[in-house]
Amino acid sequence: DGGITQSPKYLFRKEGQNVTLSCEQNLNHDAMYWYRQDPGQGLRLIYYSQIVNDFQKGDIAEGYSVSREKKESFPLTVTSAQKNPTAFYLCASSIGPGTPGNTIYFGEGSWLTVV
Amino acid sequence: GNSVTQMEGPVTLSEEAFLTINCTYTATGYPSLFWYVQYPGEGLQLLLKATKADDKGSNKGFEATYRKETTSFHLEKGSVQVSDSAVYFCALSETNYGGSQGNLIFGKGTKLSVKP
Repeated sequence: DGGITQSPKYLFRKEGQNVTLSCEQNLNHDAMYWYRQDPGQGLRLIYYSQIVNDFQKGDIAEGYSVSREKKESFPLTVTSAQKNPTAFYLCASSIGPGTPGNTIYFGEGSWLTVV
Repeated sequence: GNSVTQMEGPVTLSEEAFLTINCTYTATGYPSLFWYVQYPGEGLQLLLKATKADDKGSNKGFEATYRKETTSFHLEKGSVQVSDSAVYFCALSETNYGGSQGNLIFGKGTKLSVKP
């Protein structure tokens, strides 16, 4: 089935550790996104990529890093510089900019907890 | 900057009641508007969308009309079911003239609980 796969579903991080969340899509979409969801705050954009080998910071990029070496993959690393990383992380993809009514599709999300 | 404001929840209704969740936006250019639904522990699913003024998006009995004059995109359903219990997000897609940046600006979400 076509879709967006995020892994792991649940992840625990110790203080000072970096962790990487995986996101893979087989929809042949050019654009990919990472959002963070906190209770009562909706979703906030961390990073996005509109094409392979290129990505841009979103509203809350500090403490995060990404790469886009392949069209289907957009991993997110939560670094030790992110002071409050406990949240629900959502990966998404879309055909890309320039498409009228460009629709973004989401994965099932990953829960990250600092212990 | 662009923003989306939606009514705060939680909203609790009895089965078969009428649902309205208000959403207003502030944007430059010509945004597309979306409603997404999130069931517990899951990602977001697109519920419906509208790409220009006066368009009506509809799906699964839900409807919303893109009102440019009131900058609104209210979600409605005539008869809710227990299975509609979820969190609903209103969102806009930022645009440049002649195209779309593609990024979504979300409201904070409205939790709906439907009781039998």
